[in-house]
Amino acid sequence: EAGVAQSPRYKIIEKRQSVAFWCNPISGHATLYWYQQILGQGPKLLIQFQNNGVVDDSQLPKDRFSAERLKGVDSTLKIQPAKLEDSAVYLCASSLDPANTEAFFGQGTRLTVV
Amino acid sequence: AQRVTQPEKLLSVFKGAPVELKCNYSYSGSPELFWYVQYSRQRLQLLLRHISRESIKGFTADLNKGETSFHLKKPFAQEEDSAMYYCALIGGYQKVTFGIGTKLQVIP
Repeated sequence: EAGVAQSPRYKIIEKRQSVAFWCNPISGHATLYWYQQILGQGPKLLIQFQNNGVVDDSQLPKDRFSAERLKGVDSTLKIQPAKLEDSAVYLCASSLDPANTEAFFGQGTRLTVV
Repeated sequence: AQRVTQPEKLLSVFKGAPVELKCNYSYSGSPELFWYVQYSRQRLQLLLRHISRESIKGFTADLNKGETSFHLKKPFAQEEDSAMYYCALIGGYQKVTFGIGTKLQVIP
């Protein structure tokens, strides 16, 4: 089966610019996650969708980050405006449901803010 | 609040030696615990989960609720085990928390 697809793989932007990441989960997976992984740290959950509804966005910096999952399939994560500290790998993952099942991860998007 | 602690950022062992990657958690309820692995240039993937009580690639992990631990063990390390290992917890409201990860380096 096809895995979780993310694009772009790499992005370099200047601070205060905007950026968007795209994720296409595995077909049939109702749950979609966006993680931020800063160098030397573990993945930090930014937002979790169940179909097209938000389950948890408690760690999403809502003043600059936004995410949507229209139609309950693919998703976009946006940062506007970006800060230097947003430099990280942004991981998308999906699972059949949130309860104790395997999450499949994409390759990630490496964002560098200069 | 739920928390996952992996006290070692780097663990180096010789090939054939036993491996134990430590994971401690803080959560008031009954957690679901997982180990994920990331090999060089590959995506993060599930290694094992505590409810299935299985052995994957020779690794096992036992949930110890008394010590709030979920250490990952393997009796004989192999070079291909070199990777980043992350312990993860699913707690209240299905919230997912990852540890900072431990880099396992198996020395030939």
